[in-house]
Amino acid sequence: DSGVTQTPKHLITATGQRVTLRCSPRSGDLSVYWYQQSLDQGLQFLIQYYNGEERAKGNILERFSAQQFPDLHSELNLSSLELGDSALYFCASSAGPQIGKTQYFGPGTRLLVL
Amino acid sequence: ILNVEQSPQSLHVQEGDSTNFTCSFPSSNFYALHWYRWETAKSPEALFVMTLNGDEKKKGRISATLNTKEGYSYLYIKGSQPEDSATYLCAFLYNTDKLIFGTGTRLQVFP
Repeated sequence: DSGVTQTPKHLITATGQRVTLRCSPRSGDLSVYWYQQSLDQGLQFLIQYYNGEERAKGNILERFSAQQFPDLHSELNLSSLELGDSALYFCASSAGPQIGKTQYFGPGTRLLVL
Repeated sequence: ILNVEQSPQSLHVQEGDSTNFTCSFPSSNFYALHWYRWETAKSPEALFVMTLNGDEKKKGRISATLNTKEGYSYLYIKGSQPEDSATYLCAFLYNTDKLIFGTGTRLQVFP
């Protein structure tokens, strides 16, 4: 158990809908990262927050957005969902953005868009 | 486009065999290299974070080396056990903030 929690574990929804994925980092960790794992693709970095502020952006679609709240939990919002958004979404946390800090992964949310 | 390549893609070994995999990454603007172990239906578990050229890290039967000048890292497993069966991922830290993951080496250890 990494100490990172994600809810829900599974989500089934329809195209065009909007969903929110939630992540609670390990106690004391200030950085939260979101990743997407699609079929036949490696883990793709989406976005990073540090202490409430967006710090880095990866291959995140404009239909997706995220935020980190004062209590450091983070939410990833996916809107106008398409079939291709079906994937495993991981959240990870680390003590900070410093080089050499380990990222600890949550159990993931499996999203299925029908 | 930054590319992190891992080889082989998959590996089947017998219990007791030692094995190693390779991770290749850009040799310029190096900040760190991460190794993760990912078991089916679980989340990636951090093994090592390596930052210095020549770094060698060890955790039980698993060890890793790093060559930042030529852009590669090796992960070694000594005396593989069935419980070592997993996908081993490496990730290159780009621009201090973004981890670029390889597609992994899937290891299967047969008893």
